[in-house]
Amino acid sequence: DAGITQSPRHKVTETGTPVTLRCHQTENHRYMYWYRQDPGHGLRLIHYSYGVKDTDKGEVSDGYSVSRSKTEDFLLTLESATSSQTSVYFCAINPGQTNTEAFFGQGTRLTVV
Amino acid sequence: SQQGEEDPQALSIQEGENATMNCSYKTSINNLQWYRQNSGRGLVHLILIRSNEREKHSGRLRVTLDTSKKSSSLLITASRAADTASYFCATAAGVRGKLQFGAGTQVVVTP
Repeated sequence: DAGITQSPRHKVTETGTPVTLRCHQTENHRYMYWYRQDPGHGLRLIHYSYGVKDTDKGEVSDGYSVSRSKTEDFLLTLESATSSQTSVYFCAINPGQTNTEAFFGQGTRLTVV
Repeated sequence: SQQGEEDPQALSIQEGENATMNCSYKTSINNLQWYRQNSGRGLVHLILIRSNEREKHSGRLRVTLDTSKKSSSLLITASRAADTASYFCATAAGVRGKLQFGAGTQVVVTP
């Protein structure tokens, strides 16, 4: 398995609280991504990073922010969690060349009550 | 919006049978990838086919790509109970490796 670890694996939080999910990689890959998975939608891109301090929005970025201060860590923050953000969150990494596969973490199941 | 649309949404077969699932997409791509997801787990990459390729094989997997029809198919031959999983197609365009996923096909292989 690619060296990619998500933490926590499960979290229950209350509406309105801030939440931070962490993705850690040991592959020194340039690109890192946060996706969310919801029934009937497959995976949708939230934010991604193409280098330290270089990030950009995906298709469902509202209500989320990210930071990447080191190559190995990519943080996803829900500033004020809402019930619509209940989902399974996946981090992925990619070395950055065209036509290369992505490697996914095991996911974080987040429930907002 | 989803780039890929998969068909069927669910597929139930017996061991030894072949499983075929299809993926359609909307815009130009660099490549199309197929992933497998076992229940409660992350996605595992199966195969990548580039836009200038028409067919690719990997073990019991066969993938085709028709860029004129913007469609792809994944064939799993001689299926096994361990192939029970959800299968997703994902398209990549541009230079930053962003993937757009279909909603997936849930495959159940009965012993």
